[in-house]
Amino acid sequence: AQTVTQSQPEMSVQEAETVTLSCTYDTSESNYYLFWYKQPPSRQMILVIRQEAYKQQNATENRFSVNFQKAAKSFSLKISDSQLGDTAMYFCAFIMDSNYQLIWGAGTKLIIKP
Amino acid sequence: ETGVTQTPRHLVMGMTNKKSLKCEQHLGHNAMYWYKQSAKKPLELMFVYSLEERVENNSVPSRFSPECPNSSHLFLHLHTLQPEDSALYLCASSQATRSRGNEQFFGPGTRLTVL
Repeated sequence: AQTVTQSQPEMSVQEAETVTLSCTYDTSESNYYLFWYKQPPSRQMILVIRQEAYKQQNATENRFSVNFQKAAKSFSLKISDSQLGDTAMYFCAFIMDSNYQLIWGAGTKLIIKP
Repeated sequence: ETGVTQTPRHLVMGMTNKKSLKCEQHLGHNAMYWYKQSAKKPLELMFVYSLEERVENNSVPSRFSPECPNSSHLFLHLHTLQPEDSALYLCASSQATRSRGNEQFFGPGTRLTVL
């Protein structure tokens, strides 16, 4: 069965610090896509970053970057120079190229303290 | 309106009521999704429509009935719900292509409480 595990239910860091959120997943497929989504308090879920499994190069989006280790089935998110607006639930997810179901982790609640 | 909109934003209903949730996407997408989000649990995919045809139905109880009249609108009809159905119901849309890796865009959700 395909699963996603986010081992950190909650994290808290000071503003401007760097924080890494962990994610591991399990699949026997070779073609899939990985995502980090962010859900701020009482606001809509939005995409943070996306990685194609066949690409070795780690995706980056401004202050957000991933460490994708395909053999280890690990997909961590690094947030540099964290800001108060980064406070949110962060969800790791993946989808196989063979179906429509996005498989989600349970989320990590990230709190950025001033 | 832009993006994905959902109405109502909050709904309280009794177990014998019938209600409907509405979702509309303004992005020109052709795939739409219903998810259930409960606290401290992964999002659960309920239904997927691609080009107005249902392609996934993950063993959702029949008290939830989806309807997709066109590629921009999606409904979730509710009847005789249980208290454990209380959750945030999220609608999403994406561009359905041969690749499944396209970003899903989410609405703000409907917070449902079943008494």
